[in-house]
Amino acid sequence: DGGITQSPKYLFRKEGQNVTLSCEQNLNHDAMYWYRQDPGQGLRLIYYSQIVNDFQKGDIAEGYSVSREKKESFPLTVTSAQKNPTAFYLCASSIGDGHYTFGSGTRLTVV
Amino acid sequence: GQQLNQSPQSMFIQEGEDVSMNCTSSSIFNTWLWYKQDPGEGPVLLIALYKAGELTSNGRLTAQFGITRKDSFLNISASIPSDVGIYFCAGQFGNEKLTFGTGTRLTIIP
Repeated sequence: DGGITQSPKYLFRKEGQNVTLSCEQNLNHDAMYWYRQDPGQGLRLIYYSQIVNDFQKGDIAEGYSVSREKKESFPLTVTSAQKNPTAFYLCASSIGDGHYTFGSGTRLTVV
Repeated sequence: GQQLNQSPQSMFIQEGEDVSMNCTSSSIFNTWLWYKQDPGEGPVLLIALYKAGELTSNGRLTAQFGITRKDSFLNISASIPSDVGIYFCAGQFGNEKLTFGTGTRLTIIP
């Protein structure tokens, strides 16, 4: 079955460390997105990519980095520059219309 | 970035009650969509609307694309426990990325 997979489901990071969140899709979607969700909050766009080897900053890109070397993969790195990284991170993909398919999320906690 | 205004922010209802929520924007959209997020999961698409004035149903859910193209409404009839979650509206202009609403959290009181 086609879908979008995020891993790990739970991730713990020590202060000052970089961590990378994985997002893989086998839907043949061109566009991929990363969102951050804080408790009781909506979805805030971190980065998005509409095609391989190209990506754009979203509304809260500071402290994050991404790459899009393959159509299927859009990993997100949370760097030590992100001062408040504890959140729920969601990856999504689409063919370019509004029908986004979301992954099941990664919950990142700083310890 | 813009976030659409959703209301209410949260709702506490009893099982069997009907639910209404809405979403407004300062700009027009060509497409309105409604997503539902279960606790600890990613949002799932419920309904998509493509034309001003359009009324679309999906089981107990009914959504409308406002005539002004700046708003949309979602109704849930005869709520059941599995309706609990966060409902997000989203708007799209052309092929641009989605603009999401702030979410409506639905809780069912036993």
